[in-house]
Amino acid sequence: NAGVTQTPKFRILKIGQSMTLQCAQDMNHNYMYWYRQDPGMGLKLIYYSVGAGITDKGEVPNGYNVSRSTTEDFPLRLELAAPSQTSVYFCASSYAQSNEKLFFGSGTQLSVL
Amino acid sequence: EDQVTQSPEALRLQEGESSSLNCSYTVSGLRGLFWYRQDPGKGPEFLFTLYSAGEEKEKERLKATLTKKESFLHITAPKPEDSATYLCAVQAGSGGYQKVTFGTGTKLQVIP
Repeated sequence: NAGVTQTPKFRILKIGQSMTLQCAQDMNHNYMYWYRQDPGMGLKLIYYSVGAGITDKGEVPNGYNVSRSTTEDFPLRLELAAPSQTSVYFCASSYAQSNEKLFFGSGTQLSVL
Repeated sequence: EDQVTQSPEALRLQEGESSSLNCSYTVSGLRGLFWYRQDPGKGPEFLFTLYSAGEEKEKERLKATLTKKESFLHITAPKPEDSATYLCAVQAGSGGYQKVTFGTGTKLQVIP
């Protein structure tokens, strides 16, 4: 099992550019999440999904969009990248939402210059 | 607002020198407290879930405990391979989406 796979691992964007961070899981988990991790800050939830076709905003959704067309995939779209979106992005999944451990991907280091 | 505070921010231990990491929390309706380990350049990896005060869980040199206000991660006779950042997270609320709040972590370095 690969678990949660994220691509790319590193990316540099110019201000105003757009990109999609890819996330796929092979554990047949219903719940998937996107977090960002900034130095000295705890992981912050951007968006989450409770199943294919269903997504909802987390704590810091502004500037991002998501879609969930299949159980396996949960891409995160950045439109009009800004320096404030420089961060490490983690995708995670879980079998259930309550009291369930999260399985994380290895992260995407994004710099917006 | 749910709050999770971890201390110390960083901890340097000699190999074999036992110590504890602290996670204090303020939440309404605790559902569970989680400990994760994060190695540089990688995503967090699950260690433990604790559900109620008085509960304890162990895994190799790690032991997690929970009270109504805080959790401790005790590390007994640590080895260099235990060096990592340890994250605490709490899940709270009822019905619908139950929010998970992460602490900022304790960076542990174990020196041979």
